[in-house]
Amino acid sequence: QVQLVQSGAEVKKPGSSVRVSCKASGDTFRNYGFSWVRQAPGQGLEWMGGIIPIFGTANYKQKFQGRVTITADESTSTVYMDLSSLRSEDTAIYYCARDFHPSLHCLGAACNGLVGFDPWGQGTLVTVSS
Amino acid sequence: EIVLTQSPGTLSLSPGERATLSCRASQSVSSSFLAWYQQKPGQAPRLFIYGASSRAAGIPDRFSGSGSGTDFTLTISRLEPEDFAVYYCQQYGSSIWTFGQGTKVEIK
Repeated sequence: QVQLVQSGAEVKKPGSSVRVSCKASGDTFRNYGFSWVRQAPGQGLEWMGGIIPIFGTANYKQKFQGRVTITADESTSTVYMDLSSLRSEDTAIYYCARDFHPSLHCLGAACNGLVGFDPWGQGTLVTVSS
Repeated sequence: EIVLTQSPGTLSLSPGERATLSCRASQSVSSSFLAWYQQKPGQAPRLFIYGASSRAAGIPDRFSGSGSGTDFTLTISRLEPEDFAVYYCQQYGSSIWTFGQGTKVEIK
């Protein structure tokens, strides 16, 4: 049973940076991707970007390009999300999720089982305030 | 970027009733890459449906997904008290994931 455990809540000043970690246990780290999703107060889910450790490269939503960096440390089965130049609008809960990514589990549109995010971490509240 | 539009925004129903949630894509989506999630207050989302119509592990069979192309539906055949929550659809395309804005299923 895979578990994702995230780091604790953060309070940051505008203009600063934050790092959120997500440690995976219970399954082979390299067999999957990992994505980050945020949820502003009272709002919906927004995918920020993801990484597939076996490929070593990350992919980001254009909105966050240049401000977010996602990395993976296979030795500790931990994924990191760094967000810089923080502003008040970045106040949100940040979730990591194991990503059953199409590039790993599908040939074209023919997929070998689940494609999607399962499970999710417990979430990390990041508050940006002066 | 493919935009997913969910309707209605809020669905007010009573336990035992049938719920039909819609997810419409701005362009055609592969059914293999369409998923649905449930989120309850204070909790992380949980995968319910993948591949447009396959139930994730442990999801009761009163939940079903259907659709293709640009129109997808999540149906809850008979609402149980624990089903009142927000539901999101999600798709993968052009190397990015996108979510719909969510449908809240509330008790009438």
